[in-house]
Amino acid sequence: GENVEQHPSTLSVQEGDSAVIKCTYSDSASNYFPWYKQELGKRPQLIIDIRSNVGEKKDQRIAVTLNKTAKHFSLHITETQPEDSAVYFCAASKGGSYIPTFGRGTSLIVHP
Amino acid sequence: GAGVSQTPSNKVTEKGKYVELRCDPISGHTALYWYRQSLGQGPEFLIYFQGTGAADDSGLPNDRFFAVRPEGSVSTLKIQRTERGDSAVYLCASSRTDIGGELFFGEGSRLTVL
Repeated sequence: GENVEQHPSTLSVQEGDSAVIKCTYSDSASNYFPWYKQELGKRPQLIIDIRSNVGEKKDQRIAVTLNKTAKHFSLHITETQPEDSAVYFCAASKGGSYIPTFGRGTSLIVHP
Repeated sequence: GAGVSQTPSNKVTEKGKYVELRCDPISGHTALYWYRQSLGQGPEFLIYFQGTGAADDSGLPNDRFFAVRPEGSVSTLKIQRTERGDSAVYLCASSRTDIGGELFFGEGSRLTVL
């Protein structure tokens, strides 16, 4: 089955800095890659996703890049704010059932 | 309802007991997923329903775990002879389609087995 590795497990930045979280996947058939944000004690919520037919997608301060050849994708957050502090999960899935396999998460801490 | 609803929010039980966790998905969502999340880990897939049928139950850890969705809406996750290792947050999610898209998660049911 699919295996998703996520790094780093913890990321601490100063407000205004950029943050990058990286994930790799094992199944070359995976073609849908969502990112979820989970605040402490809350439910995971989708923040951005990308499909394998594009290499990059942006939404205001967040962007995701995908390298299908290397089987890795990354989340980029610019101009970080304290409210960006949360755990971020990457996931990969493929056609058929599109059941997401999640990474172990990255705890992002943004210091004011 | 407006979102995915899960009950109970917290369940404390003794080792060996039977528990049921309920999920009420967003109306009209045909796809329903159960995940388990342990502290400091990502959600771990358990079972996926498309309509009334369990399309993929490959994530269920053993035969003590079972889930149903008899009318294609509400789902119940059933755990027999609970063990301390079953302690986790059980997350339910629903999705509008089965062609890849946003999963809408519930708040989860925190299960503690003493």
